[in-house]
Amino acid sequence: GDSVTQMEGPVTLSEEAFLTINCTYTATGYPSLFWYVQYPGEGLQLLLKATKADDKGSNKGFEATYRKETTSFHLEKGSVQVSDSAVYFCALNRTNAGKSTFGDGTTLTVKP
Amino acid sequence: EAQVTQNPRYLITVTGKKLTVTCSQNMNHEYMSWYRQDPGLGLRQIYYSMNVEVTDKGDVPEGYKVSRKEKRNFPLILESPSPNQTSLYFCASNQGNTDTQYFGPGTRLTVL
Repeated sequence: GDSVTQMEGPVTLSEEAFLTINCTYTATGYPSLFWYVQYPGEGLQLLLKATKADDKGSNKGFEATYRKETTSFHLEKGSVQVSDSAVYFCALNRTNAGKSTFGDGTTLTVKP
Repeated sequence: EAQVTQNPRYLITVTGKKLTVTCSQNMNHEYMSWYRQDPGLGLRQIYYSMNVEVTDKGDVPEGYKVSRKEKRNFPLILESPSPNQTSLYFCASNQGNTDTQYFGPGTRLTVL
């Protein structure tokens, strides 16, 4: 079946540091890929997405590129802020189906 | 305002007492899903629906039921709750497999 593997956390960085959270996936067909963010006490919200190979999703300084050859969708940000502290989830939606698979989540803490 | 609502937000119950968690969306989305979130396990899909009267099992459907009689509503039913169903539950909706999922605020369920 489908699976999403995320870099294990938690991750602690200083403000303005570079962030990478690795995500690799296994799926049949051509899934759409997503990064969601969950702030404390809240539901998940979309951070960015990519629906086909070589697409780059970007939002709020975060970026991720859909790499079919390496089945990866790594999240990056050049300079993190304290307000970026949250849990980040990588996810895929299977083509033409309602099935979704999420990674385990990576907790990011950014210290001033 | 476009949103997904869930009720109740918090529930403490006892083993075996049937309960229903309601979910409603006002975005006219075709797809709806239920997830549970447990520490270290990320989000796992319980059931999903791709249209009215069309539902299918996710990764962890045992002990749960759903129905989709109207497009906007997708209730989650626990006929005989057990302590291992203590969790944080999220409802979500989206228009299709390439579309962002919009999440409700979550329901924290404790089964004693």
